[in-house]
Amino acid sequence: GQNIDQPTEMTATEGAIVQINCTYQTSGFNGLFWYQQHAGEAPTFLSYNVLDGLEEKGRFSSFLSRSKGYSYLLLKELQMKDSASYLCAGMDSNYQLIWGAGTKLIIKP
Amino acid sequence: NAGVTQTPKFRVLKTGQSMTLLCAQDMNHEYMYWYRQDPGMGLRLIHYSVGEGTTAKGEVPDGYNVSRLKKQNFLLGLESAAPSQTSVYFCASSSGSEQETQYFGPGTRLLVL
Repeated sequence: GQNIDQPTEMTATEGAIVQINCTYQTSGFNGLFWYQQHAGEAPTFLSYNVLDGLEEKGRFSSFLSRSKGYSYLLLKELQMKDSASYLCAGMDSNYQLIWGAGTKLIIKP
Repeated sequence: NAGVTQTPKFRVLKTGQSMTLLCAQDMNHEYMYWYRQDPGMGLRLIHYSVGEGTTAKGEVPDGYNVSRLKKQNFLLGLESAAPSQTSVYFCASSSGSEQETQYFGPGTRLLVL
């Protein structure tokens, strides 16, 4: 079956770095997405990886290893506004997104 | 440019009642989607559309119907609401490229008593 696994909750300190891991199992693979979702709001796009390696975008970076079925989202210089849920989603062979349950990130001062 | 909008924002229904959720997008996107989001679970696809006049079933289509009569609108109907349909419903859209980013509406919170 298809499955996306990510930790339920993580806590980090303002100004620090945090890495949110995601492992995926999809029928076929057409890329891995990360979205951010603040409480009570819509998910918003953060990153897309389809090739192995690291994609950097400002304070956020995303990594993909297709052979390991693994991705991570790296957040640097954490700010209080980064407190949110981070959703990992794999795109299968039918171009459908399979979503993880999300990782709730709590930032402490 | 409003992006993706959804109406209503919140609704309470009694078991057996019907309702329609409206999604509209002004980005000229071909693809539109309806998801539900429940605590502790990932977003689950209900129905989707790859163009005006077309619809297809997603992962959890039972109890829902959809229509895409105009490119910019995607309607989700509940004919006979059940408590199991209490959820937050998100509409999303993307351009014609299959690997394109999906843009989400603000969501509709539905409570079925």
